[in-house]
Amino acid sequence: QKEVEQNSGPLSVPEGAIASLNCTYSDRGSQSFFWYRQYSGKSPELIMFIYSNGDKEDGRFTAQLNKASQYVSLLIRDSQPSDSATYLCAIETGNTGKLIFGQGTTLQVKP
Amino acid sequence: DVKVTQSSRYLVKRTGEKVFLECVQDMDHENMFWYRQDPGLGLRLIYFSYDVKMKEKGDIPEGYSVSREKKERFSLILESASTNQTSMYLCASSPPGGTGYEQYFGPGTRLTVT
Repeated sequence: QKEVEQNSGPLSVPEGAIASLNCTYSDRGSQSFFWYRQYSGKSPELIMFIYSNGDKEDGRFTAQLNKASQYVSLLIRDSQPSDSATYLCAIETGNTGKLIFGQGTTLQVKP
Repeated sequence: DVKVTQSSRYLVKRTGEKVFLECVQDMDHENMFWYRQDPGLGLRLIYFSYDVKMKEKGDIPEGYSVSREKKERFSLILESASTNQTSMYLCASSPPGGTGYEQYFGPGTRLTVT
């Protein structure tokens, strides 16, 4: 089993809809969880960080963490074509600063 | 603003050449990382360093070495480049582990080995 799993997609949603991206992980000791966005040909950039169970909201983005079920999700409300990118889920392991990345989910927002 | 810079955006090398990829960060971060990114395989950690002259192997260190003589600079070395090392190479830096701080990425170097 991969340590961090994401559906590679593509996930296609119409403009204005809610996009839901999911990630599961295997290490129960994981403490910190990150969502990065990567545009084609660019490097990843952080959009959300969460470490407590529950929801964390930032503008149109909401990260949801459920440690008991070992999943973390990202909701994008009012999706825009500019949100079209690959979204990478990452977890920090063992307080080392090392991140383990999922393979990423490609999101396509159609006008 | 954190800035992580990489010496080249695009690089073309021949099989067998020794290749140096340089990364510099300006935020006094302790941790620095080298990844390669390939379609369908995601980001894979090659090496990381948590202090000057300290390094640890990541998931795919074979064929690579690293050097960190100064805190701000982390170099990735391909001792004898091979075609299977054609990839996008990404450098990142972060504060010490356990703090939940993000990794900041450089723009990447697309290396082609012919």
